[in-house]
Amino acid sequence: DSGVTQTPKHLITATGQRVTLRCSPRSGDLSVYWYQQSLDQGLQFLIQYYNGEERAKGNILERFSAQQFPDLHSELNLSSLELGDSALYFCASSAQENTEAFFGQGTRLTVV
Amino acid sequence: SQKIEQNSEALNIQEGKTATLTCNYTNYSPAYLQWYRQDPGRGPVFLLLIRENEKEKRKERLKVTFDTTLKQSLFHITASQPADSATYLCALRNYGQNFVFGPGTRLSVLP
Repeated sequence: DSGVTQTPKHLITATGQRVTLRCSPRSGDLSVYWYQQSLDQGLQFLIQYYNGEERAKGNILERFSAQQFPDLHSELNLSSLELGDSALYFCASSAQENTEAFFGQGTRLTVV
Repeated sequence: SQKIEQNSEALNIQEGKTATLTCNYTNYSPAYLQWYRQDPGRGPVFLLLIRENEKEKRKERLKVTFDTTLKQSLFHITASQPADSATYLCALRNYGQNFVFGPGTRLSVLP
């Protein structure tokens, strides 16, 4: 158990809908990262937060947004969903930016 | 453009042999490089971190090297076991930039 909790584990929704994925980092970790992993694809970096502030952005679509709250949990919002958004979404956390990251078990999103 | 490459998509080796995986990068100046293991449908698990001023790091049967001149890291698993079968990912970050992963190498250790 990495100590990073992601909910829900599975999500099935229709095209055009909006969903929110939630991540609770390890206790005390200030950095949160979001990644997308499509079938047989590598981990694509979406966005990073550090202590509530956006720190780095990858190829995150404009339909996607995220935030980190004062209690350090983070949410990833995906809107106007398309079939191609079906993927595993991982959250990771780290104590500082130059230390190892601990990953949650992911949320498997299926858009039908 | 920036790129991270891992030597092969898949690697098959015999149990007991040493597996060597390669990570090459282009147009990055990483402060450190990390290796992770990922099993199907699971989140990656951290294995080793090596900093730019370190040449080699070891942990049990694992060894990683980092050559900033060649822009390459090698990851070795000695005395490999079928339980080592997984996808292995390298990851790096430039100072102040994204934390990015390579495409991974799927290792199969055959009994």
